[in-house]
Amino acid sequence: GAVVSQHPSWVICKSGTSVKIECRSLDFQATTMFWYRQFPKQSLMLMATSNEGSKATYEQGVEKDKFLINHASLTLSTLTVTSAHPEDSSFYICSAGMEGTGELFFGEGSRLTVL
Amino acid sequence: RKEVEQDPGPFNVPEGATVAFNCTYSNSASQSFFWYRQDCRKEPKLLMSVYSSGNEDGRFTAQLNRASQYISLLIRDSKLSDSATYLCVVIPAGGYNKLIFGAGTRLAVHP
Repeated sequence: GAVVSQHPSWVICKSGTSVKIECRSLDFQATTMFWYRQFPKQSLMLMATSNEGSKATYEQGVEKDKFLINHASLTLSTLTVTSAHPEDSSFYICSAGMEGTGELFFGEGSRLTVL
Repeated sequence: RKEVEQDPGPFNVPEGATVAFNCTYSNSASQSFFWYRQDCRKEPKLLMSVYSSGNEDGRFTAQLNRASQYISLLIRDSKLSDSATYLCVVIPAGGYNKLIFGAGTRLAVHP
């Protein structure tokens, strides 16, 4: 079946550095991908909708200059956490759907720890 | 008010028990409804869609009441492997594949 892959699955970085997370749809094209964040014991919160070839749409309260999203191709979206701080430590998950099916697939998630 | 609300639990039940989870959503124009399952430190996975007529998949039964904006999930004959967090998920009107998640209800099935 269709698969969405994320990389890296976990990353530890120093405060102030930037971290890039990739989300790939492996056997289908996705004009739209979604980025979620989940803090421990909390719900997945939608951060932004990534649109291929255009700007991402950010949810209220999510800083677009801090969480840079690039969706340059139909199979790849990237999320860059710029100048990461400990409060950015979280589980970041992307999702993508096959056009016209309404079926949505999630990446394996990327666990970010900022020291 | 949160868009999707769930009882956080945890529900601690013995194997073989029947357990029910409830969920309410605030946007009456919401168009699609799902139950997802999330294991600890893993991505969520679709358990089943929820239809107005109610639907069943093996030991799992989902119900939707649009008038009350209420969704339920019933698990019969619980297995140890059912232990997980169950997420109520809604797609709002016009929100193509934009999933809104509840905080989840944690289920622990013990021998």
